[in-house]
Amino acid sequence: QKEVEQNSGPLSVPEGAIASLNCTYSDRGSQSFFWYRQYSGKSPELIMFIYSNGDKEDGRFTAQLNKASQYVSLLIRDSQPSDSATYLCAVFSTDKLIFGTGTRLQVFP
Amino acid sequence: SAVISQKPSRDICQRGTSLTIQCQVDSQVTMMFWYRQQPGQSLTLIATANQGSEATYESGFVIDKFPISRPNLTFSTLTVSNMSPEDSSIYLCSVDWQGNTEAFFGQGTRLTVV
Repeated sequence: QKEVEQNSGPLSVPEGAIASLNCTYSDRGSQSFFWYRQYSGKSPELIMFIYSNGDKEDGRFTAQLNKASQYVSLLIRDSQPSDSATYLCAVFSTDKLIFGTGTRLQVFP
Repeated sequence: SAVISQKPSRDICQRGTSLTIQCQVDSQVTMMFWYRQQPGQSLTLIATANQGSEATYESGFVIDKFPISRPNLTFSTLTVSNMSPEDSSIYLCSVDWQGNTEAFFGQGTRLTVV
């Protein structure tokens, strides 16, 4: 069974800080990695995807991928209370997306 | 990205009955997927809806319980049959946009079985 693992949290950070969310995966052959944000009662929203080793930046978000370590992370700079949500890591493996259980992020003023 | 409309957005159903959930996309898409998200859990893929052929079900999900239709490239339905309280969950339709691997989701159907 291919797995994607995340710490469930909650991860609490003060407003303006950097939030670091981590994810590991078991399928060494995976090539595509995604971060989704899910507000309570809402459906997941794609915020970042990354295919190559290294960093990918989009606004306040940076995705980091290390295929050798089978590790992908999401950094949120200048965290805002509106960033408080559950962040789902997803990995494309054997023709489907496999989701982690999500990390709940709380940004307090 | 595609605009995905899913309905109903929520329903409360009696056990033993069935509910059909509809998913409409504003553009033709190759792949449509149905997920379940149980309370406090992550997303679990139920099946891939294939246009013109039977759906492909994941382990633990069977066609008799979750029949799926995919009559064209913009529409799919998922039926939750003979419901029990354990079927209470959020059901989500998703599509791959332009053949990419990332998935975009409809707003979900929150099902409560009493």
